[in-house]
Amino acid sequence: SAVISQKPSRDICQRGTSLTIQCQVDSQVTMMFWYRQQPGQSLTLIATANQGSEATYESGFVIDKFPISRPNLTFSTLTVSNMSPEDSSIYLCSVGSESDGYTFGSGTRLTVV
Amino acid sequence: GQNIDQPTEMTATEGAIVQINCTYQTSGFNGLFWYQQHAGEAPTFLSYNVLDGLEEKGRFSSFLSRSKGYSYLLLKELQMKDSASYLCAVRDDYKLSFGAGTTVTVRA
Repeated sequence: SAVISQKPSRDICQRGTSLTIQCQVDSQVTMMFWYRQQPGQSLTLIATANQGSEATYESGFVIDKFPISRPNLTFSTLTVSNMSPEDSSIYLCSVGSESDGYTFGSGTRLTVV
Repeated sequence: GQNIDQPTEMTATEGAIVQINCTYQTSGFNGLFWYQQHAGEAPTFLSYNVLDGLEEKGRFSSFLSRSKGYSYLLLKELQMKDSASYLCAVRDDYKLSFGAGTTVTVRA
């Protein structure tokens, strides 16, 4: 299965600033996703990162708040913009494969103060 | 919309068996996944069912009934390291929707 390197692993940020999270995959993958996991809760899909076109966002998530880049089939970034304490969460990237299940990066634990 | 239900918590004794149920009502269905997530870590893939029946993988088995919108994950010969959250996820087209997770505590 694919191996995903996600960074940073954690960060503490001031409200009003932005943080960019990176995910690097060791092989080319078609499907790449970004999730949020709020404290004590399950995973919520933010968007699907599409190579060569704009990301597809889920209900409740918008591009201005969570801009996503996908310049090639092995790399993607998620930016959390104009952060508030409500954005404190774990952010995970994921790649899809039917045979191996969907693999997750190690996550970025974000605290906004 | 997607509705995926699983119990919040379960407790079992080391060496015992635990069954975690998952019921779902989703707009589409292309398979059901089970993941294990230890505190502070990313989810790790356990099993995938797309057809009805039982899939066995060592100490873990997963069952699916599409007509009933029902799955279960069976953990046998429980070990302390199995204490974790177990997530049921339904694939609709290419996207996964997750249940809230079941926290399993294994006691000595």
